[in-house]
Order: sequence, then structure tokens, then C-alpha cells
Amino acid sequence: AQTVTQSQPEMSVQEAETVTLSCTYDTSENNYYLFWYKQPPSRQMILVIRQEAYKQQNATENRFSVNFQKAAKSFSLKISDSQLGDTAMYFCAFRSSGDKLTFGTGTRLAVRP
Amino acid sequence: DAGVIQSPRHEVTEMGQEVTLRCKPISGHNSLFWYRQTMMRGLELLIYFNNNVPIDDSGMPEDRFSAKMPNASFSTLKIQPSEPRDSAVYFCASSPGTGPMGYTFGSGTRLTVV
Repeated sequence: AQTVTQSQPEMSVQEAETVTLSCTYDTSENNYYLFWYKQPPSRQMILVIRQEAYKQQNATENRFSVNFQKAAKSFSLKISDSQLGDTAMYFCAFRSSGDKLTFGTGTRLAVRP
Repeated sequence: DAGVIQSPRHEVTEMGQEVTLRCKPISGHNSLFWYRQTMMRGLELLIYFNNNVPIDDSGMPEDRFSAKMPNASFSTLKIQPSEPRDSAVYFCASSPGTGPMGYTFGSGTRLTVV
């Protein structure tokens, strides 16, 4: 069974600074997909960024980028120029060839003004 | 596209009562998922459907929980009888299938059983 580990329960960053959230996963599969979801206080789950395991190039979406290290099974999220609206829970998630998405336990990010 | 629509947004009920949560997935999405979120256990997959057929219900906590998907545009999650430990946020999500698309989540139903 796949597992997803987020070792940082809480993080804090100053507005306009950069922060990196960590995620590791365990799988024996070669083809899979990785995701970061954001859950603000409104509780809506919002897809932030996705990465296909077969792509070596790291995904980027505006201020959000990932550092995907397949051999190390690591998938960290970097948020540049942090904004107050980035304050949220962030979940790392893994999906293999099936339908199921396995989530980590989340990292609560606070952006300080 | 209206996204995944869940109702009600909030539900408060007394222990022992039946609770029905509803979900309308995005049109064209053929996979539908029910998750439960609590502080203690995080996000747990309860059950998922593919083309209206239940594929994996191993996450359903016990016989008090049941889920149906009578057609491609509607699903229900029922708890009967409800207990205080069922209090949680219940999310419905849909996906166009396997692969890189991820899920689109509804806004969730916050259930409180008193």
C-alpha cells in the first residue's frame, strides 16, 4: 500500500518570503502522479499543482513549484513570494494507476504579515 | 461548470437519527469518491464509484454507513443510526478517470451529531 508522509505539522513564513513544504511517499510502482492540495479556512480543497512521475521536469504554477526527486521519493512544494491568502492546510497526495488518491496528514501554513 | 455540488453544507442531528448527504459530480466525470475528514484521522477514503459501480468500500467504517450512486449525476451517503463519533466533514469528489487529473472536491458537509 502506498503511504504519504508530511513531517511538518505546522510551518510559518513571513509575507513575501519563500517557504518549502516537505512530502515523502512510499510506493513500488513506477508510474504515478503526485499532487498538492490547499485547504483554506473555507475548507474547500483546491488543487495547487500536479506532477507526473515520468516527467523529469519539475512542475510550476505561478508562485508554486515542486522539487520532485523520484529516486528519493520526495515531492516538496515551494511557495515563492508568500501572500496572506496562502494561509491554509496543504496536503500532499499520491495516485498510482488506479483511481484512489492517498493523502498525507497535512501541513498547516501560516503567513505572517 | 458548477463544480461538484454537495448538500447540505451543514447538518446538525441528534444521535440515532438518519442522515443523508448528497453529491452531484461534475458532468462527464466517471469516478466519484466520498471522504471523511477529522482532526484525529485526517482525510479518509470511505468509498468510491466508477461508472456508478462501487469499486472499493473498504473504508466504510461499519454497517451504519451506506452509499449509493443510482446514476451518473447523483450519489448519496447515508448514516443510520448516527452517532456522535460520526461528527466530521464529509467531502465528495469526482474525477474524469485515472491519470493526472486529480480530483475536484465539493465544498463538504459539516456533520455534527449531538
